[in-house]
Amino acid sequence: DGGITQSPKYLFRKEGQNVTLSCEQNLNHDAMYWYRQDPGQGLRLIYYSQIVNDFQKGDIAEGYSVSREKKESFPLTVTSAQKNPTAFYLCASSIQGHPDTQYFGPGTRLTVL
Amino acid sequence: AQSVTQPDIHITVSEGASLELRCNYSYGATPYLFWYVQSPGQGLQLLLKYFSGDTLVQGIKGFEAEFKRSQSSFNLRKPSVHWSDAAEYFCAVNTNAGKSTFGDGTTLTVKP
Repeated sequence: DGGITQSPKYLFRKEGQNVTLSCEQNLNHDAMYWYRQDPGQGLRLIYYSQIVNDFQKGDIAEGYSVSREKKESFPLTVTSAQKNPTAFYLCASSIQGHPDTQYFGPGTRLTVL
Repeated sequence: AQSVTQPDIHITVSEGASLELRCNYSYGATPYLFWYVQSPGQGLQLLLKYFSGDTLVQGIKGFEAEFKRSQSSFNLRKPSVHWSDAAEYFCAVNTNAGKSTFGDGTTLTVKP
């Protein structure tokens, strides 16, 4: 079955450590996205990529970094510079950069202790 | 800049009753509009979308939405709610830049 996988489902890290969240898709989609979701809030865009080896900052990119070396993979690193990293992180992909339905992964809940 | 407002943070309806979730958007050109549903601790699933054409769009699970340009609205409706519809619902607008802006969501509770 085609889809988006995110791992792990739950992640715990100590303050000051960098952590990388995995996102893989086998939908052959060109575009991929990372969102952050906090309780009572909608999704906020962190980074997005419309093609391999290219990505753009979203609305809240500070303290995060990404890479897009392969079409199917778009890992997100939460660095120690992110002041409030505890959140639910969602990865999505779409066929084209615009405008199109985004398909979401199941999410990773990151808790920084 | 585009924006989406979902005025209702939380809605409670009885099972079998009708449902309407409100969504208002702000965007200068023709918007591309979406409704997604999220169960607790899960990703988002597309319910329906509007790109152009008929302003009343049908989606999955018996949902429909109507695009009203004059009111900048894209309200989601369902004639008879089932207990399994309890979830959080997000309205989103997408532009030619490829970025989606999401509303803050409406949590639906279904009473037996």
